[in-house]
Amino acid sequence: GENVEQHPSTLSVQEGDSAVIKCTYSDSASNYFPWYKQELGKRPQLIIDIRSNVGEKKDQRIAVTLNKTAKHFSLHITETQPEDSAVYFCAARYSGAGSYQLTFGKGTKLSVIP
Amino acid sequence: DSGVTQTPKHLITATGQRVTLRCSPRSGDLSVYWYQQSLDQGLQFLIQYYNGEERAKGNILERFSAQQFPDLHSELNLSSLELGDSALYFCASSVGQNPEKLFFGSGTQLSVL
Repeated sequence: GENVEQHPSTLSVQEGDSAVIKCTYSDSASNYFPWYKQELGKRPQLIIDIRSNVGEKKDQRIAVTLNKTAKHFSLHITETQPEDSAVYFCAARYSGAGSYQLTFGKGTKLSVIP
Repeated sequence: DSGVTQTPKHLITATGQRVTLRCSPRSGDLSVYWYQQSLDQGLQFLIQYYNGEERAKGNILERFSAQQFPDLHSELNLSSLELGDSALYFCASSVGQNPEKLFFGSGTQLSVL
C-alpha cells in the first residue's frame, strides 16, 4: 500500500512568517494529494488539493507544490495568522485492489505565535 | 457544518462490549468512509461504501464491521471491544466512488474502560 511521511510533526512560527510542511509518498501511481486542517476538537476540513498533472496550486495565502519525480509535495502558508494554528494532514490517493484509497500522514501541529 | 452527521458524539463502554456508530452523509453524496483517529497514528482508513456496496477496505479489524443502508446512512459496528479501540472515529462522505474532496463529520469519541 501507500506510505505517507509528513514533516515536521510540530512547527512554531511567528505571526506574519511563512510555514512549510512537507510530505513524501511511496507509490508513484498516486494521483491526488489533498491537505486537511483540523482545529482543536474539530473535524478535519479540506483546505486545498492538487492532482498529479499539476505542479502547483494557490488559494490566497495557501499554496501546494508537487514534485512527482521526487514523490513529495508541500504546503506553504504565507503571512501566517493565529487562526492558522491547527494540525495539518497531508494525504495521497493510490490505487489498490481495484479501488482508490486515501492514506494520510501523521499530521503537523502548527502553532502561530502572536 | 459539513453536512455529515455522526451520532453519538461520545460513547463510554467496557471491554468486551459491542457498540454501533452511525453516520448520515451530506445530501447527494453516495460514498461514506470510516476513519479511526488516535493520538499517535493519525487518520487510519477503515472502510468505504459507495451506494450501498463495499468499495474499499483498509486496516479494519475483523471485530469491526460496517454497512451502508438504502437511504445511504452507514453504521460501524465494533465488537469485543478492547482498551486499544479507544479513539475518535470519523465518518466522511463524498459524491463519487473515488476518495476526493471528503467532508468529515464531527466524530464519535469512543472510550473503552
